[in-house]
Order: sequence, then structure tokens, then C-alpha cells
Amino acid sequence: AAGVIQSPRHLIKEKRETATLKCYPIPRHDTVYWYQQGPGQDPQFLISFYEKMQSDKGSIPDRFSAQQFSDYHSELNMSSLELGDSALYFCASSFKGTSPYNEQFFGPGTRLTVL
Amino acid sequence: EDKVVQSPLSLVVHEGDTVTLNCSYEVTNFRSLLWYKQEKKAPTFLFMLTSSGIEKKSGRLSSILDKKELFSILNITATQTGDSAVYLCAVEGSNDYKLSFGAGTTVTVRA
Repeated sequence: AAGVIQSPRHLIKEKRETATLKCYPIPRHDTVYWYQQGPGQDPQFLISFYEKMQSDKGSIPDRFSAQQFSDYHSELNMSSLELGDSALYFCASSFKGTSPYNEQFFGPGTRLTVL
Repeated sequence: EDKVVQSPLSLVVHEGDTVTLNCSYEVTNFRSLLWYKQEKKAPTFLFMLTSSGIEKKSGRLSSILDKKELFSILNITATQTGDSAVYLCAVEGSNDYKLSFGAGTTVTVRA
């Protein structure tokens, strides 16, 4: 079965550089979520999109922005990178539809290392 | 702010043992509680629980939710070395669909 695709899988950047992470949800899923997981930490919610509109915002720094496109893929843009941004960034997708319950399925993650 | 507390933080067992993982939560307008298994990659979905007292089962794994006492347990019977992982509990409120995760329980199964 198709899963959530994230690219790139690994990314190395220098401080103050910019990074763009991409997420392709499971086909027919209409909602995308971004999570950040630091070393030894639990995943922290950053932001989510439903039907191409931002639906919820968590602990996302102002230096980060994201959007969901017409094909439902999403991009997380990170500027002025700091050492503390080094983490595993997960994208998850779900289908909201008319059901009040929706499992989130996670992609493999992008490991970002800021030097 | 939603709060999820898992216990124990870690445990080591031998193959064939049974483990019970705990998750307690505080969430505004509870919608669901989810369990995930995380090895050295993305969390893998295990269960979604929405109603109290109804056990969900998948092979050697089972889970149940108590919405009155605000907790859930995940049981793994006849553990195998492949069960070694971090088990994450997450809750979802009805005001939004984001997940709030606990710190996880690291399970190590020794042969």
C-alpha cells in the first residue's frame, strides 16, 4: 500500500541557511501534519493543513513556514537555520472526510543536521 | 495544554514475558487516544481508542481505554525481540486534530 513520502531523507545545512522539506501524503488523504522530533524527545506538533488551508499551529518557530498545495503535497520551509533545528521532521497524513476519527500515518522522516 | 504521561519510561524483559505499558492523559475535549510503535524510523500506527472498556486486539498486542480515569494500557504478551521499540501514546482533542505525544516507553526484549 502507498505510504507517506518525504524528501529528502537526509539533509545537512549550515547555520543561517534555508531548508525545504517535502511531504507527499497517502493518496486521497486530505490532511497533512508536521512534527519535529529532537534527539531522545517525543514528536512535537508543528503545524497542520486540511484541504490546503492551515488548520492548526503548534510550536512552530516564526522562521518556519509551510503550505499545502493543490495536489495535497506539503512543504515545510525553514530559514535562518540554527543548531537547535537539528532533528527528525516527520510528516503524517490522514483522511478526515466525514468521520470524526482519523488515524495519522507517518512518513519515514527527514533527518536535518545543522552544522 | 494537553498532557500525556507514559510509564514506565523504560523496561527490560525476556522473551516470552508479558509487558503492560501505561498512558495517562489530560486533554481538552478528548477525541481519541492512539498508540504507536517507533523503532529507528517513523512511528507505526498500532491502535486508535475512542470508547471506554472496548479492548482492541492485534495479534499479541491489545489495548484498552478508561475515559473516566483518563488512562490507557497497552499489553504485549509472549514478547519477542522484534517487539523492542519505543511505544508512544498520543491523544487527540476534538478542537483540533493534532496529536500530543507522551515521552514514550522504551521496551527492550532480551533473547
